[in-house]
Amino acid sequence: KQEVTQIPAALSVPEGENLVLNCSFTDSAIYNLQWFRQDPGKGLTSLLLIQSSQREQTSGRLNASLDKSSGRSTLYIAASQPGDSATYLCAVSRSGGGADGLTFGKGTHLIIQP
Amino acid sequence: DAGITQSPRHKVTETGTPVTLRCHQTENHRYMYWYRQDPGHGLRLIHYSYGVKDTDKGEVSDGYSVSRSKTEDFLLTLESATSSQTSVYFCAISGAENYGYTFGSGTRLTVV
Repeated sequence: KQEVTQIPAALSVPEGENLVLNCSFTDSAIYNLQWFRQDPGKGLTSLLLIQSSQREQTSGRLNASLDKSSGRSTLYIAASQPGDSATYLCAVSRSGGGADGLTFGKGTHLIIQP
Repeated sequence: DAGITQSPRHKVTETGTPVTLRCHQTENHRYMYWYRQDPGHGLRLIHYSYGVKDTDKGEVSDGYSVSRSKTEDFLLTLESATSSQTSVYFCAISGAENYGYTFGSGTRLTVV
């Protein structure tokens, strides 16, 4: 059974810092990996999708990397802002396609101090 | 969220009553999913659908049933609601195996 772990569970940093969120998964036979953001009381917003054949994806100040062989992904946030405060979730889909859903980590709760 | 809506947004119901949550999409995506989110457990898959009338169980399917009679609608039914089913329920859609997932805004269900 696939297990996804996110470290740290919580993180509080001053505005302007660059930071890294970590995600690890136990079964490297994944199809893709997706990072989401969730604001309190809200739904999930997709940030980045990395196909299993890709090594990284970038969107603005966000960069996500994927190392399938070691079962790891990192989300890099550059020049953090208070608006980045949210819970960040990592999820993987099983090899063979997205038909049977995503397995999620429990998230990293991020607070950016003004 | 664009292309996917859940109803109702909030519901309070009594133990033992049946409850149906609705997910509606306008993206014509093949795959639809129901998740629940609970503190300490994260998001867990309840049921999913890979086409009209094609559904399967997820990790936490006991006490739940689903139906998909049209591409755009995926219904989740709690056959006899229990307090342990108090949760936030999310619907998600995906267009194909190499697509990402899009989530709805969620339904907060309280069973009293």
